[in-house]
Amino acid sequence: KQEVTQIPAALSVPEGENLVLNCSFTDSAIYNLQWFRQDPGKGLTSLLLIQSSQREQTSGRLNASLDKSSGRSTLYIAASQPGDSATYLCAVRGPSNTGKLIFGQGTTLQVKP
Amino acid sequence: SAVISQKPSRDICQRGTSLTIQCQVDSQVTMMFWYRQQPGQSLTLIATANQGSEATYESGFVIDKFPISRPNLTFSTLTVSNMSPEDSSIYLCSVQAGGLNEKLFFGSGTQLSVL
Repeated sequence: KQEVTQIPAALSVPEGENLVLNCSFTDSAIYNLQWFRQDPGKGLTSLLLIQSSQREQTSGRLNASLDKSSGRSTLYIAASQPGDSATYLCAVRGPSNTGKLIFGQGTTLQVKP
Repeated sequence: SAVISQKPSRDICQRGTSLTIQCQVDSQVTMMFWYRQQPGQSLTLIATANQGSEATYESGFVIDKFPISRPNLTFSTLTVSNMSPEDSSIYLCSVQAGGLNEKLFFGSGTQLSVL
């Protein structure tokens, strides 16, 4: 049974810092991995999707990497801003494209001005 | 991409009543998904709603408690029946636009509180 873990559960940093959020999964037979952002009381916004054959994806100040063999993904946020404050969730789909999405519990990020 | 309109955004309900949540998508999609997010927890898939067939429910969720309708390719409803305080959660609908390799898009969620 696939399990997804995100560490740390919460993180507070000063504005301008570069930071890394971690996601680990127990079954390396994944189809893809997706990072989401959730603002308080809101739905989820998709940030990046990495296929199992890819090593990383980039969008603006965000870079997500995937090491399938070790069951790990990281989300790197460069030059953090107060507007980046939110909960970040990773989710894996597998083993095939018809597998359901399994979510981690999220990392709540606070960026202080 | 897909734009999803979900309503109501929040509601406070009495024990024993039912609430129907609506989800409207701006494009035709094959599959729509309903998730629950309990306080402090991550998302759990309730069911997958396909147009023209019965919804597929995940372990621990049953049709009598969470009936789903999917009358066309742009709309779905989830009903939370005979509510109890344990049903207090955020309910979210989502779609996978453009095929199975595409990103998952979510509605803004329905914050449900049951007294």
